Amino acid sequence: GAVVSQHPSWVICKSGTSVKIECRSLDFQATTMFWYRQFPKQSLMLMATSNEGSKATYEQGVEKDKFLINHASLTLSTLTVTSAHPEDSSFYICSVSRGDTDTQYFGPGTRLTVL
Amino acid sequence: SQELEQSPQSLIVQEGKNLTINCTSSKTLYGLYWYKQKYGEGLIFLMMLQKGGEEKSHEKITAKLDEKKQQSSLHITASQPSHAGIYLCGADLSLSNFGNEKLTFGTGTRLTIIP
Repeated sequence: GAVVSQHPSWVICKSGTSVKIECRSLDFQATTMFWYRQFPKQSLMLMATSNEGSKATYEQGVEKDKFLINHASLTLSTLTVTSAHPEDSSFYICSVSRGDTDTQYFGPGTRLTVL
Repeated sequence: SQELEQSPQSLIVQEGKNLTINCTSSKTLYGLYWYKQKYGEGLIFLMMLQKGGEEKSHEKITAKLDEKKQQSSLHITASQPSHAGIYLCGADLSLSNFGNEKLTFGTGTRLTIIP
């Protein structure tokens, strides 16, 4: 069965609104979760690393105030796209890592379309 | 069965030696991406291949996509400890959705470099 779930699987929103995406680890407590954005030519781009109970670590060029990450529990991390614009339209994917292994389990992704 | 097979699953080489990792699919690869992952970190994009016979290089890493676009190889020349990690191939298996749908990932190859 699925190890990681994301909700919603797709969302359409108006420009200027905020959207929250959830990533849940279903099989184990995930000490670390990763958020990726998918681009056509580069495919997955790591946005940030989310550690439970601490602030997320953002990759260079990713606006932390625009992409808010909250890793409130060992099974849930959320990504909030604030004041979304059409250029934020993309496929957002999370992955989870258990901590005792470096295997990553990927979520099914969330397609965001900003009108 | 896995849509993308990587071989070998694990590789231990002495520093300075060359090595090759393969990624094979039974389907046409419309976009093939290579990533590297270090323990506890997210995936880092290495290269993207799209055309049959295409070859790209970055520093000591060369990736090729065969003419049939069903197999890709990643070759590291004169390996260094910094090359250690897990190498993942990811692919778009649908032409109509190139760049717009979730990737299919390979099984991963764990590379260890012995000083």
